[in-house]
Amino acid sequence: AQSVAQPEDQVNVAEGNPLTVKCTYSVSGNPYLFWYVQYPNRGLQFLLKYITGDNLVKGSYGFEAEFNKSQTSFHLKKPSALVSDSALYFCAVRPNSGNTPLVFGKGTRLSVIA
Amino acid sequence: DAGITQSPRHKVTETGTPVTLRCHQTENHRYMYWYRQDPGHGLRLIHYSYGVKDTDKGEVSDGYSVSRSKTEDFLLTLESATSSQTSVYFCAITSGNYNEQFFGPGTRLTVL
Repeated sequence: AQSVAQPEDQVNVAEGNPLTVKCTYSVSGNPYLFWYVQYPNRGLQFLLKYITGDNLVKGSYGFEAEFNKSQTSFHLKKPSALVSDSALYFCAVRPNSGNTPLVFGKGTRLSVIA
Repeated sequence: DAGITQSPRHKVTETGTPVTLRCHQTENHRYMYWYRQDPGHGLRLIHYSYGVKDTDKGEVSDGYSVSRSKTEDFLLTLESATSSQTSVYFCAITSGNYNEQFFGPGTRLTVL
C-alpha cells in the first residue's frame, strides 16, 4: 500500500528566503507524485506533478519540486517566498499503473513572515 | 474547480439524522471521489466511483454510503450522522493525461 509522510506540521520562513516543504513516499513500483495547495476556506489546488523524466519539475506560482528516487522524496521548493504563499500544502502519491486513488500526506502549514 | 460543484456548502445537523451531500460535475469525468479533511489527518478517502453504479470503499468508509446513478452526480450519505463525522468533505474528479485529481470547493458539515 502506498503512503506519504510530511514530517513537518509547520514551516516558518521569512519573506524573500528560500522555502522547502518536505515529502517522502512509499509505493509499489514507480510513483506519480503531486503537490497541492489549500488556501483558507478553499478547496485544494493542483500545483505540480512528477510523472517521469527530469527530476526537477516546475509548477504554478514559481514552485518547483525535486524527485529523488533513492531517497524516495519529493520536496517542494521555491527560491524566494512570498507572504501570499502562506497556506496548507499536501503531497500525494499513487502508483504509475492503473487508476488507484491518490494517497495524501497530512499536510504542512507554511507561514511566510514579512 | 474543474466544473465541480458541491451542495450544500455548509450544513449543521443533529446526531442520528441522515445527511446527503451532493457532488456534481459537468465534464463527463469517469472517476469521482469523496474525501474528508480533518486536522492532523490530512485528506482521507471515503469512497470512490469508477463509473455509473460502480463504486468502491476507501480508507474511512464506515458510516458512509455512496451512489452514482448518473455520470455527473456522486452522492455521499451519512445514514445516521455522528459527531465524529463533523468534518470538511471534498469531492474530486480525475482528469488529465496522468490522472491528476481536481477538487470541488468542499462542504463543511457539523454534527451536534
